[in-house]
Amino acid sequence: SYELTQPPSVSVSPGQTASITCSGHKLGEKYISWYQQKPGLSPVLVIYEDTKRPSGIPERFSGSNSGNTAALNITETQAMDEADYFCQTWDTNTMIFGGGTRLSVL
Amino acid sequence: EVSLVESGGGLVQPGGSLRLSCEVSGLIFSRYWMYWVRQAPGKGLAWAARISGDGSATTYADSVKGRFTISRDNTKNMVYLQMNSLRGDDTALYYCVRERPGRGVALDYWGQGTLVTVSS
Repeated sequence: SYELTQPPSVSVSPGQTASITCSGHKLGEKYISWYQQKPGLSPVLVIYEDTKRPSGIPERFSGSNSGNTAALNITETQAMDEADYFCQTWDTNTMIFGGGTRLSVL
Repeated sequence: EVSLVESGGGLVQPGGSLRLSCEVSGLIFSRYWMYWVRQAPGKGLAWAARISGDGSATTYADSVKGRFTISRDNTKNMVYLQMNSLRGDDTALYYCVRERPGRGVALDYWGQGTLVTVSS
């Protein structure tokens, strides 16, 4: 079965750029979405179709997807960006989520 | 404003059944695929089931296939998840979610979740 692999944690200093990766076999041939989840809250879609931002998501959030790796980049990271981030794709009639990455802004 | 409100969660014994409901408002309900996504305590997200806008097509994760049934009533803007033969690993917060129309499969509106606890 298809799997998406994310690093368990990423740390970034305020104002710097955070990059969260998501790996899977030929992932670049599929569409990827990214979700942000803060403690006690429901997930929020931040990137869809690899690079697109829903209305209301800051331009600081961007995505890429090529080869076997997709990435969510957050520029000028703020304390409010501290959260869990999940990547997601669809393969053979199955929705797959990555295990999630906890972003710490230190 | 789009709203998804789940209900029906609770404590159930292993082997028992539970029916979750989700009331949706603020959109033309019948146009959208709807999903149930679950999250075990302290764990990541896991898809359970989905249903097409007209209710004619359903898909299930292997972990729930044969035990869970998703359905909808477009006259009431409701989506349901009938859960039978519940097991301990079904314990989770269950979210009702809308699929965003487009080329990729993305979930753009989430409810607040309803907690299901399977325990004796």
